[in-house]
Amino acid sequence: QVELQESGPGLVKPSETLSLACVVSGYPISRGYHWTWVRQPPGKGLEWMASSHPSGTTYYNPSLKSRLTISLDTSKNRFSLKMTSVTAADTAVYYCARDERHCSGGVCPGIDVWGQGTTVTVSS
Amino acid sequence: QSVPSQPPSASGTPGQRVTISCSGSYSNIGTNTVNWYQQFPGTTPRLIIYSNNLRPSGVPIRFSGSRSGTSASLAISGLQSGDEADYYCASWDDSQKAVVFGGGTKLTVL
Repeated sequence: QVELQESGPGLVKPSETLSLACVVSGYPISRGYHWTWVRQPPGKGLEWMASSHPSGTTYYNPSLKSRLTISLDTSKNRFSLKMTSVTAADTAVYYCARDERHCSGGVCPGIDVWGQGTTVTVSS
Repeated sequence: QSVPSQPPSASGTPGQRVTISCSGSYSNIGTNTVNWYQQFPGTTPRLIIYSNNLRPSGVPIRFSGSRSGTSASLAISGLQSGDEADYYCASWDDSQKAVVFGGGTKLTVL
């Protein structure tokens, strides 16, 4: 059974770079899936941020693309997200997730496994 | 980012059937499958419908999904107080090359 666990700094100052990591257990990330980050500001909805596949395919939310870098570390079976120039608007719970985007027989599972989330507050 | 539209709220009484809509565009729901997620306050989203109308194991048959054109719907029959939660639709968008989540619907059981 695959499990995901996020880690983050908790508190980040405005204009600094936010670094998040997600450790995956129960499945080698090098084998497949799109490893994904989703965030949720307090009291608001879910926002997809980025995903990366071990093939090298990477996607970013167009509205965040200029500030994001997602990467996979297959040796540690984890993936990471960096976000530059953070502001108070980036205060949120950040979730890592697994996205099975490959469709088989017309069945497309999508984002099916989530981490517990890590809370990040941007404040001076 | 252009995202599917959901009503911000929905409500029903115990035992009733409620439907939550998700209106998108050709590049997302019109072309790709839809997932639905249930989220209770302070918890992680839970997948309840995938590929438009399939239920993961453990999800009650009371939950069903459908897609028609550029819209999708989540139906909950035999409404229970424990169904009170936020519900989100999601789909891949071919134009934006991104997953798009609907804005979410808060379901209240009266």
